[in-house]
Order: sequence, then C-alpha cells, then structure tokens
Amino acid sequence: AQKITQTQPGMFVQEKEAVTLDCTYDTSDQSYGLFWYKQPSSGEMIFLIYQGSYDEQNATEGRYSLNFQKARKSANLVISASQLGDSAMYFCAMREGNSNSGYALNFGKGTSLLVTP
Amino acid sequence: DAGITQSPRYKITETGRQVTLMCHQTWSHSYMFWYRQDLGHGLRLIYYSAAADITDKGEVPDGYVVSRSKTENFPLTLESATRSQTSVYFCASISGQGYGYTFGSGTRLTVV
Repeated sequence: AQKITQTQPGMFVQEKEAVTLDCTYDTSDQSYGLFWYKQPSSGEMIFLIYQGSYDEQNATEGRYSLNFQKARKSANLVISASQLGDSAMYFCAMREGNSNSGYALNFGKGTSLLVTP
Repeated sequence: DAGITQSPRYKITETGRQVTLMCHQTWSHSYMFWYRQDLGHGLRLIYYSAAADITDKGEVPDGYVVSRSKTENFPLTLESATRSQTSVYFCASISGQGYGYTFGSGTRLTVV
C-alpha cells in the first residue's frame, strides 16, 4: 500500500502568490518523520523542511512551512511568495520510527510546480 | 568536499551486461540507501544497509545486488541489465535517526 500520497501531479502558481502542495501519509507508528524535498531540473535532491510526529508546532523554514494535521495524516507544504526559481518537482517523504527499514525514506510520486510570471 | 559521490554520472550499457554504480560517502554514516527514480513513481527503495556487511532489500530489489564491505562504499550492481532498469539512481546516507539525509547527484543509466 502506498504510504505517501501526493494527489497533484502538476500545479501552477503565479509569482508572489502562495501555493499549497498536498501530502497524506499512512503509518501505524507513533514516532515518524515527514520531509519535503525539492528537485529542480538539474536533478539534485534538496531538503526543504522536516516535521517530527511529536512536534507540536508546524515546522517553518523561511518561505516554506509544513501544515501538519496529525489526525488527518496530512503534511502539506506551503510555499509563500512564490518565485520563478521555485519551479521544480516536489517530493513528500516519510521515515517511520523503527529501524526495520533502516530508516529509509518512503517517497510520494511528486508534484511538479510551475511558477509563472 | 564531504558528502556523497556517485559515479558515473551517466552510463549507457547494453542489455545483458553487468554494470556497477558506485557510491562513496565521507560522513561515516551508518545507513546507506539506493533508490531509483522513474517518471510517475517518485523514488523507490532498491536496497539499504545499516552498517558494513549488513544489507537488506527494499521495495524493488529484483535484478540488483549490493555489497558493503566498507562503511564508506555501497556499490549497486545490475547483474544482467534490462531495458526496464533504465532509470536515474540515487544513493543516500544518514547517521541514524534524525533528518540529515545526504543524497548523491544521481546516476542516469540507459540500457539499450
């Protein structure tokens, strides 16, 4: 079963507007971590933001914030004031708390974001 | 620079040939991972390793072999390459629990 679901294959946003990228997850663990990565056309994986399952506050990193709704198993990424350089593929990922999978990340299929002038 | 180095960056090989993708990390991280990235699938785990000489299968291990004789190296071998293994391969590492995953730059493999 898919553990990370990203329902938006592609999104458009106008420059300077805010955009929300959706991510839902499935786990029975109490301890887990949620991640967002950006992959520009050059191909590298860039870490954006992390949210631990026990963190009570939503994580923020500059223009990025993670809207964590634990009961709904939702971890949406919000990008404020979009810039042209934000155009990229965005991946949501989860690491479950036990070491049975070697702390491997489970990735969603990604959302392609295009920021227009 | 410290981090993860993958080699080669690009590789074209023929169906049936054996090919090895290299991954070297300088962090002395315990955990290392191999992922493949295909359009419409995101990144899928092939194999992971918790330490030297400890490896285990991920979601899509068929057709791949790994080894980890030294902590810093985690090569991925395609024993007999098939066209379905055409993909971008990423190596990653982390010291343990936490969120400081380091990713390599990726290897783009084409099997013709």
